Amino acid sequence: AQKVTQAQTEISVVEKEDVTLDCVYETRDTTYYLFWYKQPPSGELVFLIRRNSFDEQNEISGRYSWNFQKSTSSFNFTITASQVVDSAVYFCALSGENTGGFKTIFGAGTRLFVKA
Amino acid sequence: DGGITQSPKYLFRKEGQNVTLSCEQNLNHDAMYWYRQDPGQGLRLIYYSQIVNDFQKGDIAEGYSVSREKKESFPLTVTSAQKNPTAFYLCASSSGLAGVSYNEQFFGPGTRLTVL
Repeated sequence: AQKVTQAQTEISVVEKEDVTLDCVYETRDTTYYLFWYKQPPSGELVFLIRRNSFDEQNEISGRYSWNFQKSTSSFNFTITASQVVDSAVYFCALSGENTGGFKTIFGAGTRLFVKA
Repeated sequence: DGGITQSPKYLFRKEGQNVTLSCEQNLNHDAMYWYRQDPGQGLRLIYYSQIVNDFQKGDIAEGYSVSREKKESFPLTVTSAQKNPTAFYLCASSSGLAGVSYNEQFFGPGTRLTVL
């Protein structure tokens, strides 16, 4: 069975602090993809990144960075110098080959509060 | 502008009534999805459709029905058989090749359904 665990329910930081959101996944698939989505208060999920199981290179995009480690089944997300606009719920998600990638499993989400 | 529209944004229903949530996309995506989100929880898949005139049950399909008569449209009906329908409903779409879709999903703004 596939599973995504985001152990941090809520995180509160002060603006300009760095923050890491944890994501641990379980799958028996050899080929799979991991995703991060952001859900601002408006409700619409916004795609942030996709990483496939064969690419363990870390990714950096502006203040955002992602660390994928197959050895620990983790795909953590770090926001550097957080800003108030980063306040949102962040979801980690997993999609595997045994359903052709159509059934995406979402974690429960981590709510991030960034205080000014 | 390409995107996904959902209507209405807020919907109130009396117990025992069926209600249909609209979802339209102009992204030319083959795959479409319906998710349910409850407070403090991740997204749970209700139904998905890989192509026109085809759809599959997700993890929580009981009490829901869908149709996919047009590529652009994937309406969801919440029937009176759904015991606890009050939730936030999100529609999404993704591009795919040969029946496989590991691509990111694009989400609509959601419909908040309340049963009175």
